[in-house]
Amino acid sequence: AQSVTQLDSQVPVFEEAPVELRCNYSSSVSVYLFWYVQYPNQGLQLLLKYLSGSTLVKGINGFEAEFNKSQTSFHLRKPSVHISDTAEYFCAVRPRDTNAGKSTFGDGTTLTVKP
Amino acid sequence: GAVVSQHPSWVICKSGTSVKIECRSLDFQATTMFWYRQFPKQSLMLMATSNEGSKATYEQGVEKDKFLINHASLTLSTLTVTSAHPEDSSFYICSASLGQASYNEQFFGPGTRLTVL
Repeated sequence: AQSVTQLDSQVPVFEEAPVELRCNYSSSVSVYLFWYVQYPNQGLQLLLKYLSGSTLVKGINGFEAEFNKSQTSFHLRKPSVHISDTAEYFCAVRPRDTNAGKSTFGDGTTLTVKP
Repeated sequence: GAVVSQHPSWVICKSGTSVKIECRSLDFQATTMFWYRQFPKQSLMLMATSNEGSKATYEQGVEKDKFLINHASLTLSTLTVTSAHPEDSSFYICSASLGQASYNEQFFGPGTRLTVL
């Protein structure tokens, strides 16, 4: 079984400031890792994913995340946020060794960017 | 990227009635579709996995007789909430995958907000 913990439920930040959204996971098997963004009353949009290779992955909208296997973390970062980045962000994991593709999501982090 | 649509985007119904929600992959064939439920300010909880042409696999605690899932074609899956009650009110989101492998990207629909009066 897998579990995902997003350490901050809400992150307020001023426009053009850097931001980090933290995600830790627990799993007895190897996993793939994902970050999604959800705008109000909309579905999820993939920001980035880690499947293999370089532990630093770059995604859309200037976001990046680093996979740290020893700390079982996959924190999301952006060096300078915009008002339009205000949204809910979800970290998710999926077990590598199955064909089920079932995702386990964290509880989400609300990012609020203030002018 | 691939597009997944859901219909309706919102629905209000009376207690005891049934509601059908459609999930369509518009520009690709989805062998696997997933149905999630999301409560306000909470995460997505997987309800079931549906594969085209076969019965859906439900997660523990999800009533299969209440939440009927039909994956009739490679581009359409439906979720029917039977005899809906106010506690079934929620945001229902589907996702569609290009394949069954775990590394395949999943594309999410915009969600359907169900309110049961």
